[in-house]
Amino acid sequence: NAGVTQTPKFQVLKTGQSMTLQCAQDMNHEYMSWYRQDPGMGLRLIHYSVGAGITDQGEVPNGYNVSRSTTEDFPLRLLSAAPSQTSVYFCASSFEVNYGYTFGSGTRLTVV
Amino acid sequence: GENVEQHPSTLSVQEGDSAVIKCTYSDSASNYFPWYKQELGKRPQLIIDIRSNVGEKKDQRIAVTLNKTAKHFSLHITETQPEDSAVYFCAAPFSGGYNKLIFGAGTRLAVHP
Repeated sequence: NAGVTQTPKFQVLKTGQSMTLQCAQDMNHEYMSWYRQDPGMGLRLIHYSVGAGITDQGEVPNGYNVSRSTTEDFPLRLLSAAPSQTSVYFCASSFEVNYGYTFGSGTRLTVV
Repeated sequence: GENVEQHPSTLSVQEGDSAVIKCTYSDSASNYFPWYKQELGKRPQLIIDIRSNVGEKKDQRIAVTLNKTAKHFSLHITETQPEDSAVYFCAAPFSGGYNKLIFGAGTRLAVHP
């Protein structure tokens, strides 16, 4: 039981490049979410999913895309990286919104 | 709007003292209120949560209280220890579309020996 696995742990991108942050969970959780964490800003919700095939926008969705083709995986795509997307990204999963989230170990992304 | 306000942003206490962190939320339909602890360089971890059908919940040295009328909830840590030093986040679910969990901005707690 690995919990929530995020890859990569670190990434440096050039402005304009695209990439996908991977998130996988093996707990059969329906709810999965992506948050970004910036100093002094807490955890801000980017996109979330309530089950395979169902996604919705969070607080800061611009510049990011998601899809949920399976219960296990919830990748986050950066379409055209910008320096403002430099952040730590956390994926989290739960049975439902009213249960404790399990967080992945995070991806530290730097856009230069 | 979807908002969780958390105060204070920083808190410094002496070992053995109590610490209290407060959060207010805007969605009256919210019914689940978790607290997470994040140590430096690590992922957030759930430490305690409360549902709207109870007013208080305790787990050893930590407790959470909920006032649904005033739409605020608080984290209480008693007999603080240096290992309690971390950033603490509150959160609440918001409706509109599907339910989603929104976090407060965090409180950095420093416990000095």
